[in-house]
Amino acid sequence: GQQVMQIPQYQHVQEGEDFTTYCNSSTTLSNIQWYKQRPGGHPVFLIQLVKSGEVKKQKRLTFQFGEAKKNSSLHITATQTTDVGTYFCAGTRGSTLGRLYFGRGTQLTVWP
Amino acid sequence: KAGVTQTPRYLIKTRGQQVTLSCSPISGHRSVSWYQQTPGQGLQFLFEYFSETQRNKGNFPGRFSGRQFSNSRSEMNVSTLELGDSALYLCASSPQGALNTEAFFGQGTRLTVV
Repeated sequence: GQQVMQIPQYQHVQEGEDFTTYCNSSTTLSNIQWYKQRPGGHPVFLIQLVKSGEVKKQKRLTFQFGEAKKNSSLHITATQTTDVGTYFCAGTRGSTLGRLYFGRGTQLTVWP
Repeated sequence: KAGVTQTPRYLIKTRGQQVTLSCSPISGHRSVSWYQQTPGQGLQFLFEYFSETQRNKGNFPGRFSGRQFSNSRSEMNVSTLELGDSALYLCASSPQGALNTEAFFGQGTRLTVV
């Protein structure tokens, strides 16, 4: 079954509003990665979080890794039309080296 | 440094046929993973190869197979195609297999089964 759950599946926001997507794993993860896929494109790596409770920022994007290393979130402040796309989280587990467990993604639409 | 290259980009096949997709990873990357992407199911993991060995396998039927060559290039094969196999097939490479390293995706092969 789905080992990494991601919500919401879709999010429509007005430009300037904030956006958050959440990931939850049934098992402890070694690390969590985030990817963005633009419409018609392929997933592109954004960031990786490794430590429990880690928080990283990239301009308007804030990424968090939960204390138990089972959940993560991506928050975008003041969305822009260039933020449109699908955001995926992907976790790794020490017991299955080489495999990424992807969430189903959150498709973000930004209205101008 | 060249990125991940997938060929062909687009493919149309009829039911019952078989198809082979190719992936050339980034130079030096030893791990290649394959994913099937459809609108309703997201990114579904097919398999991962590392140093010519299948190291991980997803929950797909035996009609889906793959291999990796000594130069790390990988191919996946789908036999007896079904309409439901229509999807974007993505290949991703990484230096050692996604643990603590990012995956670099190719542009994908869009397969349509008619």
